[in-house]
Amino acid sequence: SSELTQDPAVSVALGQTARITCQGDSLRSHYAGWYQQKPGQAPVLVIYEKNSRPSGIPDRFSGSSSGTTASLTITGAQAEDEADYYCSSRDNSGYHWVFGGGTKLTVL
Amino acid sequence: EVQLVESGGDLVRPGGSLRLSCAASGFTVSSYYMTWVRQAPGKGLEWVSFIYSGDRTSYVDSVKGRFTISRDSSKNILYLQMNSLRTEDTAVYYCARGPSSAWNYWGQGTRVTVSS
Repeated sequence: SSELTQDPAVSVALGQTARITCQGDSLRSHYAGWYQQKPGQAPVLVIYEKNSRPSGIPDRFSGSSSGTTASLTITGAQAEDEADYYCSSRDNSGYHWVFGGGTKLTVL
Repeated sequence: EVQLVESGGDLVRPGGSLRLSCAASGFTVSSYYMTWVRQAPGKGLEWVSFIYSGDRTSYVDSVKGRFTISRDSSKNILYLQMNSLRTEDTAVYYCARGPSSAWNYWGQGTRVTVSS
């Protein structure tokens, strides 16, 4: 199996840009997906296949990837973006999935 | 409209069994990658199992041999049979639907508590 590593916490001023990163060997071969989870709610996919957004996800959310690092960028963070964010991908075998430990985003 | 509704969570003693169900609507479970993901109290998300083309399955090492994922196409339901439950299996269990690269629809979760 493989692991995905995220910073536990990131803070951003309202209206500024937040960047959340995810590191892991599996990201060389597999796309990262990014999930937003608010307290008491199920996760919501916000970015998949490097930089695709499901319908209904605001275009201030974007993704990128280089080597073993994937990034989620929120351009012009809003108060409602305060949440936990998880990255996920297949592991090196391709038949298992892994999640990062999550990043708590605080919008100041 | 795609909907996933989990059920079957309960309080169970260590060593006991439970079967979780995930009722799907708006699509056919047999046509998509389907997964179970859990979240222990105050912890992050943990992938548990998925079922994919040809009903092939995969499991996280900690549940292999104890949990079984399956789907009933006639009822359009995804299942997770959980045997030999341990206290560390206590979590909210979510079902979700793929494409092959990510999980884009999630249920609301069902709570499993393993305690004596």
